[in-house]
Amino acid sequence: QQQVKQSPQSLIVQKGGIPIINCAYENTAFDYFPWYQQFPGKGPALLIAIRPDVSEKKEGRFTISFNKSAKQFSLHIMDSQPGDSATYFCAASSNYGGATNKLIFGTGTLLAVQP
Amino acid sequence: KAGVTQTPRYLIKTRGQQVTLSCSPISGHRSVSWYQQTPGQGLQFLFEYFSETQRNKGNFPGRFSGRQFSNSRSEMNVSTLELGDSALYLCASSLGVGTQPQHFGDGTRLSIL
Repeated sequence: QQQVKQSPQSLIVQKGGIPIINCAYENTAFDYFPWYQQFPGKGPALLIAIRPDVSEKKEGRFTISFNKSAKQFSLHIMDSQPGDSATYFCAASSNYGGATNKLIFGTGTLLAVQP
Repeated sequence: KAGVTQTPRYLIKTRGQQVTLSCSPISGHRSVSWYQQTPGQGLQFLFEYFSETQRNKGNFPGRFSGRQFSNSRSEMNVSTLELGDSALYLCASSLGVGTQPQHFGDGTRLSIL
């Protein structure tokens, strides 16, 4: 119940395309859902995050869509560029049982944007 | 503003040894969390500290321990190293606790021979 399932495992799109990465969870106590981008040799970088009281959030070319009833959330990258090629992780966190920053991560999606 | 700093960046140890990794959080951040990243298990939570107190611990053996100092800097220690401890160890900092945005360092790559 603590898992976050992420798909697809890998994704190839053409420059300008809109890759979509999906995550699903079971624990309804999760109340914070961030996305991270990781380049080889670097730590994960926080991209965008959402809480369950909103259904969509945009920051630049990155959009999170959140479906509370389906317990799913997804990342859309508009006008994707070769520089977006990286591994993307979704995550979830819950304060149920006490305030914490503990993140449960998905398994990651390796995105390649071809020029 | 400087990001999260982890030292050293790379370490090579042999089985049975122990190792200490260091993390300096972003200035003003008082919470530090540690994660282990491996190809097989992905990113897994190790522990979380706030105001020098461990607030949460992941499902790792007691060989993994940590602490936080009064200046919010943190260290983690792994004793009696095993081959399976080879991983990227990541530190993340945030202002406080309670599903706060966390910012990661670039990690310490630990290799066990």
